[in-house]
Amino acid sequence: EIVLTQSPATLSLSPGEGATLSCRASQSVGTNLDWFQQQPGQAPRVLIYDASKRAAGIAARFSGSGSGTDFILTISSLEPEDFAVYYCQQRNTWPLAFGGGTKVEIK
Amino acid sequence: EVQLLESGGDLGQPGGSLRLSCAASEFTFSRFHMAWVRQAPGKGLEWVSAISGVGADTYYADSVKGRFTISRDNSKNTLYLQMNSLRAEDTALYYCTRRNIDRWYFDSWGQGTLVTVSS
Repeated sequence: EIVLTQSPATLSLSPGEGATLSCRASQSVGTNLDWFQQQPGQAPRVLIYDASKRAAGIAARFSGSGSGTDFILTISSLEPEDFAVYYCQQRNTWPLAFGGGTKVEIK
Repeated sequence: EVQLLESGGDLGQPGGSLRLSCAASEFTFSRFHMAWVRQAPGKGLEWVSAISGVGADTYYADSVKGRFTISRDNSKNTLYLQMNSLRAEDTALYYCTRRNIDRWYFDSWGQGTLVTVSS
């Protein structure tokens, strides 16, 4: 079973600042790693798939990188609507797994 | 636009059963693998179960294996989750999700249905 560890648990930043979120897998998942954003009271939505590909309609300020066990989600300049919880998820191996999440909050 | 509408969430007794449904529309349901993901109150996301397009292949998290059964009726464009032997830790918002046809990521989500297990 693959375990995904996200860090930090909480990121306190101001609008306009950049954000770097980390996701580490307990064993290689190749590039079968996706990132989701969840706003309060809403369902998650996909931001990045295949570790680095932006999903349809996702703003260019979101980017993903990494392969194997270490992955990064970068938000280049935070907009007010970006303050939310972010989850990584691996689909390389059953059982599928999500990381514990990183909350990006307003400083 | 893809529509996924969950229903069936309710207050269930420990040891009891519930059946969740997810009505899908605006896409060719039988072509897509589907899944259930849950979220306990104030907690993170947990993958629960998945099923192939024709229903031949099913997958489960260890936490629900042997208690939950995923199924689908492609003639009704509906996904199901039969939940037996309910436990307090099954209390969560249950999301129905669609797996992207090419790359397998969760590309569409319903709004969820709430299951509460308590005596």
